[in-house]
Order: sequence, then structure tokens, then C-alpha cells
Amino acid sequence: QKEVEQDPGPLSVPEGAIVSLNCTYSNSAFQYFMWYRQYSRKGPELLMYTYSSGNKEDGRFTAQVDKSSKYISLFIRDSQPSDSATYLCAVKEEGGSEKLVFGKGTKLTVNP
Amino acid sequence: GAVVSQHPSRVICKSGTSVKIECRSLDFQATTMFWYRQFPKQSLMLMATSNEGSKATYEQGVEKDKFLINHASLTLSTLTVTSAHPEDSSFYICSAIEGSSNQPQHFGDGTRLSIL
Repeated sequence: QKEVEQDPGPLSVPEGAIVSLNCTYSNSAFQYFMWYRQYSRKGPELLMYTYSSGNKEDGRFTAQVDKSSKYISLFIRDSQPSDSATYLCAVKEEGGSEKLVFGKGTKLTVNP
Repeated sequence: GAVVSQHPSRVICKSGTSVKIECRSLDFQATTMFWYRQFPKQSLMLMATSNEGSKATYEQGVEKDKFLINHASLTLSTLTVTSAHPEDSSFYICSAIEGSSNQPQHFGDGTRLSIL
């Protein structure tokens, strides 16, 4: 079993839809959770960075962490064509190594 | 804030050439930087962790003599692909951590390397 599982999609939605992106992880030592957006031929851009269980909101984006289920989600409200990209979840252990463990990424297309 | 600049963005060169890629943190000091490699439609693969003033730590299977990393200052790390061959063609991305541990990594825009 891989440490972080993420459905690669592709996911295609109409403009204005609510998008739900998800990852599961296997190691309870992971305490930091990130979502990155990566446009084609660009580096990943940090969208959300969370530590505790619960929700964190930033504009149209909401990150949700459920440590008991080892499940993390990213919700995008009122999706726009400019949201079309690959979304990567990443996790990190507390203390020690700064290494990130990435999901495979989900390719999202928002159709106008 | 937390901008990471990577240069060049694109390199095309002949087999046997050595290629240097720079990664700079523009508005913060980065004790630790990371180098990744990404193949098409795949996630990022960590190659090495670069610490300012010390030797880089390479991941298993990454040849340290092939991929030379230098982190001479708190704002600059370089990756040199020595005697590059077509199989080294890939998208190389760096990232940097601002300040103390448990901060998120911020990524550069990557370098697309094509070896003919």
C-alpha cells in the first residue's frame, strides 16, 4: 500500500461546480497536510497548509483533515476554468525529516 | 512572499554536456532546499535534500556524482547534471523552506531539460 493514495482522475466539471478532491494516507505519523496546484509545465503552487483536524478556508478553497480516518480533502467552490490544473496532496511527519510524501495528483478540468 | 526562482526554465543540449540549474529564494532565507524530478503525468520524485553549508543528502538510487548539488548560501542552491544523456531528460523542480522546520515547501517553476 502506498503511503498516500490519490485518484489521478481525470476529473471534468462545468464552471461553477463544487469540486471535491481527496487523498488517504496510511501512516498516523503524518501530521502536516498540504494541497498544491500545478499548472502544466510549471512548479507546484501551495494552496493550503494545515496541521490539525478540521476545516481551513481560504477564499473559494476549503481544506478538510480527518486524522481519525486518515483522510484529507480539498473543496473548490464556484469553480472557474482557471482552476483547471493538477492538484497534489502532500503530507509530512512532525519533527525530523522535512520530506514531503506526495499523492499522484488529480487532473482537473473546469469547462466554461 | 515566499517566492522561489529557478533558472533556466528550458535547456536543450547535446549528449555529454553538463547542465547547471539554479534555485534562488528571492524574499526569504532557505536553510533547506530540495530537488525533485518529475516525469510526464507523474508526481514529483525527491532526488536530494540540500542544506546550506553542508553536503546534500541523496535519495536511494540517485547518483550523487551524476547530480551535483551545491548550497553555498541561504538563498541559492544549484543542481548540475554532469555529462547528461537522453535518459536524463526530465522536468527538474526545486523547492525551499522558509525559516524553521515544519514550514511548507515553496516551489520554483521548474526546468525542462532535453538532451539530444
